[in-house]
This record gives sequence, C-alpha cells and structure tokens, in this order.
Amino acid sequence: AQKVTQAQTEISVVEKEDVTLDCVYETRDTTYYLFWYKQPPSGELVFLIRRNSFDEQNEISGRYSWNFQKSTSSFNFTITASQVVDSAVYFCALSARDNYGQNFVFGPGTRLSVLP
Amino acid sequence: DGGITQSPKYLFRKEGQNVTLSCEQNLNHDAMYWYRQDPGQGLRLIYYSQIVNDFQKGDIAEGYSVSREKKESFPLTVTSAQKNPTAFYLCASSIVPMGADQPQHFGDGTRLSIL
Repeated sequence: AQKVTQAQTEISVVEKEDVTLDCVYETRDTTYYLFWYKQPPSGELVFLIRRNSFDEQNEISGRYSWNFQKSTSSFNFTITASQVVDSAVYFCALSARDNYGQNFVFGPGTRLSVLP
Repeated sequence: DGGITQSPKYLFRKEGQNVTLSCEQNLNHDAMYWYRQDPGQGLRLIYYSQIVNDFQKGDIAEGYSVSREKKESFPLTVTSAQKNPTAFYLCASSIVPMGADQPQHFGDGTRLSIL
C-alpha cells in the first residue's frame, strides 16, 4: 500500500532561517510521482512541485529547493531564508499504482510557523 | 481566470439535516475529487469522479453522496448518516483521473459546522 510520512508535525523558525521539511514515502510501484503542496491560512492547497520517480535531479525555484533521494525514499523540501509569508501547512503527496489501481495519497502535513 | 469554485465558504448544519456543498470548475478537467480535512490531519478522500455520470467511493464515503451530471460540477451531499460532519471540505480536479502525473488543483474549501 502507498504511504506518505511527514514526521514533523509542527516547526517554528525565525525569519531568515533555513528550514527543511521531511517527506518519506512507501510504494512498490516503479513509476510514481511525488508532489508538494502549500496550504496557507486561507485554506486552499497550492501546487508547488511534481517529481517523477525517474528524475532524481534536485530542483531549485527561488528560495525553494527539493531533494529527491530514491535510495532513502525521501523527497525533502527546503526553504532558504524563510519569510513570514511562508507560514503554512505543507503537504507531501504520492501518486502510484497499487493492486486496486492508481492511488493519490497525502501525508499528514507539516505546519510551518515563521516568526518575525 | 480558470479555477475551482466552492460554495459556500462556511456552512452550518442542524442535527439530522442533509446539506450540499457546491464545487464548480472551468478548467475542462475530466476528474474531480472531494476530500475531508480534520484539524492536524491530512486529506482523506471521500469520493472521486473520472468522467461524467461516473464516480467511485474513496476511503471515507460513508454518510456522503455525490453526483456528476455535468463535467463542470461535482456537488457533495453530507447526509444525516454522517455522524461527525464537522470538518473542512476541499474539492479538487485534475486533467487525468486519479493522479497519474498531473497535480490536482484545489478550491478554497468549505468549512462545515454542526449547530
């Protein structure tokens, strides 16, 4: 069965600190996709990034970077020089096939608070 | 602009009452989904629909019902059989059904409370 674990329930940092959000996934599928979403206080989930299982190249987008390591089944998300506007709940998600078909699974989320 | 519209933003239900949450999308997406989010928890799938006039139960479908008569619309009814309906409900859509490589796009959510 598919599973996504985000061990950090809540993280607090002071503005300008770097912070890494952990994501560990489980799947037996060899072709799968990983996603990160941001949920600000307003409630809607905002798509941040997608990564497929064949592309282990790390990605950087401004202050955001993602580290995909297949060997440890991890897809960690780092925010550099955090800002108050980064305060949100961040979800990691996995899309993969199991015995019942394609499945999209969200992790429990990590609440990030960036203090001024 | 294209997007997903959920209404109302806040909804109150009396005991024993059915309520319907609206979800409309103009993204021309085939697949639509309903999720429930409880405080401190992730998203749990209630129902999803891959095409018009078809829908499938998710992980927590009991006490809920849906319809998909139009591609743009996927309303969710919370019935009186749902004993703990207080939660935040999110509607989503995607180009292809059930994940694959396409991200899901989300509405702003409806917060349902019991009076």
